[in-house]
Order: sequence, then structure tokens, then C-alpha cells
Amino acid sequence: GEDVEQSLFLSVREGDSSVINCTYTDSSSTYLYWYKQEPGAGLQLLTYIFSNMDMKQDQRLTVLLNKKDKHLSLRIADTQTGDSAIYFCAEVAPSGNTPLVFGKGTRLSVIA
Amino acid sequence: DAMVIQNPRYQVTQFGKPVTLSCSQTLNHNVMYWYQQKSSQAPKLLFHYYDKDFNNEADTPDNFQSRRPNTSFCFLDIRSPGLGDAAMYLCATSSAGGVKYTQYFGPGTRLTVL
Repeated sequence: GEDVEQSLFLSVREGDSSVINCTYTDSSSTYLYWYKQEPGAGLQLLTYIFSNMDMKQDQRLTVLLNKKDKHLSLRIADTQTGDSAIYFCAEVAPSGNTPLVFGKGTRLSVIA
Repeated sequence: DAMVIQNPRYQVTQFGKPVTLSCSQTLNHNVMYWYQQKSSQAPKLLFHYYDKDFNNEADTPDNFQSRRPNTSFCFLDIRSPGLGDAAMYLCATSSAGGVKYTQYFGPGTRLTVL
């Protein structure tokens, strides 16, 4: 079945870049997503990448996809204290029964 | 702004007392989802509606039911809440067209069971 793995914690200093990594197992994944969840809130869609792309950039966010290694990363440039949250990687695999498969989330702490 | 709205944001109920959580959307999406999220865990899909077609996840307890009276509204009914049902409940929507399965989430309802 599908599986999405993420490291659980990341701590960075304000102003530095953050890189959050994710690996997935289903090679038929078509879309891969990053969601942000602040304490007590719902999930906010940050960005997504289609599986035929290697990279997508959106302001401070850069998504890199290595389809051969089934590795996805989210880079946040100039990390701010407001970026402190849990970041979920998710995939859609047409072959699966579940529409969206989430990783367990990476808690990003930004130190001022 | 088009959005997903959940009411109430906080719900307290007693052990065994039925409770209903509400979700509405102005996105005109045809797919609606209910997730349960416990502390420090990923959201767990309970069920989803594709238009009027109901899709239950295999491990969703019978205690959880859902209703979708129209495109805009979807309800989660917990018939006899137990202490283990205390969690954040998230509603999400997606459109079968466009970027398929991209889900948009509401702010969630935090359920406390006393």
C-alpha cells in the first residue's frame, strides 16, 4: 500500500532556510502536496507539484521532486517565526483506495 | 471568499451523548471529506462523499455516520461518543475537475468528551 514518511522535527534559526523532506512509496503518484497546520487550525494548502515536474517555486517556497528516488522536499527561504507549524506531505495515487495519503507531519520550530 | 466553514469550532459533549458536527462550503466542490485528527498525528480519513455517493473507510467505526443533504452541506454524527473520540475533526472538499483530489480544509472542530 501507499506510505509517506517524514522526519518528525526540524529546528532552524530565523532568517535561515528550512528544508523539510518526504519520501513516498507509490510510484504511480500523480500529485504531491505540502500542507501547513498551525496550532488548533485546519490544514492550509501551501503548494503542490505534478509528478512530471522536477521543481516548482512560489515566492519563498521551493518544491523539489526526485521521482527516481521517490523523494520530495520543501525549502522555505528566509524562515520566519510565523512559519512555525506542522508541515504535512501528501500524495495522490490513482491506484490507491484512499484519495490522499498523508505523512505524519514535520514540526518546524523557528528560533528567533 | 470561497471557503470551507465548520461549526462549531469547539464542541463539548458527554460520554454517550450524540453529537453532530457541521461543514459547509461555498466552493461548489462535488467531493466532501471528514477526517479525524488526534494530537501529533496525521489526519485520518473517516469517509467521503463523491456527489451523493457515500464512501466509508474500512476501519471507520460504526459509531460515526455522515449525511450530505445537498452539495453545500455535510454533517458528521457521532452516535455514542467515547473518550477515545476526543479529537479534532476536519472537513475538506475537492473538485473532480481541475487538479484532481487537491483538498481544501476547514478550520476544524475540536471535540471534547467528558
